[in-house]
Amino acid sequence: GDSVTQMEGPVTLSEEAFLTINCTYTATGYPSLFWYVQYPGEGLQLLLKATKADDKGSNKGFEATYRKETTSFHLEKGSVQVSDSAVYFCALLRGGNTPLVFGKGTRLSVIA
Amino acid sequence: GAGVSQSPSNKVTEKGKDVELRCDPISGHTALYWYRQSLGQGLEFLIYFQGNSAPDKSGLPSDRFSAERTGGSVSTLTIQRTQQEDSAVYLCASSLGTANTGELFFGEGSRLTVL
Repeated sequence: GDSVTQMEGPVTLSEEAFLTINCTYTATGYPSLFWYVQYPGEGLQLLLKATKADDKGSNKGFEATYRKETTSFHLEKGSVQVSDSAVYFCALLRGGNTPLVFGKGTRLSVIA
Repeated sequence: GAGVSQSPSNKVTEKGKDVELRCDPISGHTALYWYRQSLGQGLEFLIYFQGNSAPDKSGLPSDRFSAERTGGSVSTLTIQRTQQEDSAVYLCASSLGTANTGELFFGEGSRLTVL
């Protein structure tokens, strides 16, 4: 079945460091790919998405590129801030009536 | 309301009791989803509503779990005869329209602890 694998956390970085959170997927067909973020005390919210191969999703300085050849959708940010501390979830959607399939989440802590 | 509202935010119950969790989606959102987030696990899909009907109930873990949605709005997830393994955060999400875009708006969740 469809699945998403994320790097295990927690990830701890100093402010202004470069961030990469790895995400790979297994799915039939050509799914859409997403990153959701959950800030402390808040519900999950959509961060960015990509709907086809080679698309790049970007938002708030974060970006991820849909790589069909490596079945990956790694999240990157060039310079993290303390306010980026959150749990990040990678997800895929195969379409039709199928639900979003999420990874286990990666906790990021950014220290000043 | 402005966002997806879930209640209660925290529920502690004894094994064997029934619990009801409520979700009030964003006004006008036709699709509603329930997920479960257990410690160390990802988000596990439970059930999905389009309007008042549930095209996909495949994720409900057992027949102790049921959900309904009335008036195309509020949804209730009911867990009967709770077990300790039911302890988790239950998340509700809604989305606008009938197309499944994957763009969901989540509530803050209901944390259930079964003693």
